[in-house]
Amino acid sequence: ETGVTQSPTHLIKTRGQQVTLRCSSQSGHNTVSWYQQALGQGPQFIFQYYREEENGRGNFPPRFSGLQFPNYSSELNVNALELDDSALYLCASSKGTGVGNTIYFGEGSWLTVV
Amino acid sequence: AQSVTQLGSHVSVSEGALVLLRCNYSSSVPPYLFWYVQYPNQGLQLLLKYTSAATLVKGINGFEAEFKKSETSFHLTKPSAHMSDAAEYFCAVSEGWNTDKLIFGTGTRLQVFP
Repeated sequence: ETGVTQSPTHLIKTRGQQVTLRCSSQSGHNTVSWYQQALGQGPQFIFQYYREEENGRGNFPPRFSGLQFPNYSSELNVNALELDDSALYLCASSKGTGVGNTIYFGEGSWLTVV
Repeated sequence: AQSVTQLGSHVSVSEGALVLLRCNYSSSVPPYLFWYVQYPNQGLQLLLKYTSAATLVKGINGFEAEFKKSETSFHLTKPSAHMSDAAEYFCAVSEGWNTDKLIFGTGTRLQVFP
């Protein structure tokens, strides 16, 4: 139990649609990171939010966007869904952004695009 | 650029046998290294991390890993496997010297036979 909660746990969308995934960070954590884990692969960094500002982005197109709210919860939005967006989306929270931080992951949101 | 390579996508051991999961890293800066475990349909749980202190790092559930700079390795071991150790294991490295963003390997699936 990491204290990081994600919703929804599973969802199915049609190609071209838009999706919003939500994450509540662990109490006291001001940083949220999002990772995409395709089937059979390791997680890949999408972006990070620190104190409501984007703090780095991985190699993902602009149709992947995010928000962090004053209570440090976060949303991941994906527009114009493609079949390859089918994956487990993991939210992770931490305190600050320093190297070596312990990052706590939620259980993820499974997205299937058909 | 930082990267990790996990040798062997699948490892099978008998209950009570030694577990050895291999991870080699490439890093242009002193690395911070992590091992995470993922049980079926769950998120990632931190097993242990190396942050430039002791080279032998002890983690949860009896796992440990040794940082060997000369071999650029950070292999995960456990003296005696238990059925409950069956899971996917991921090695990860910090992206840079001043960030907690992680770069993951492709994972090793551990099977434990009775």
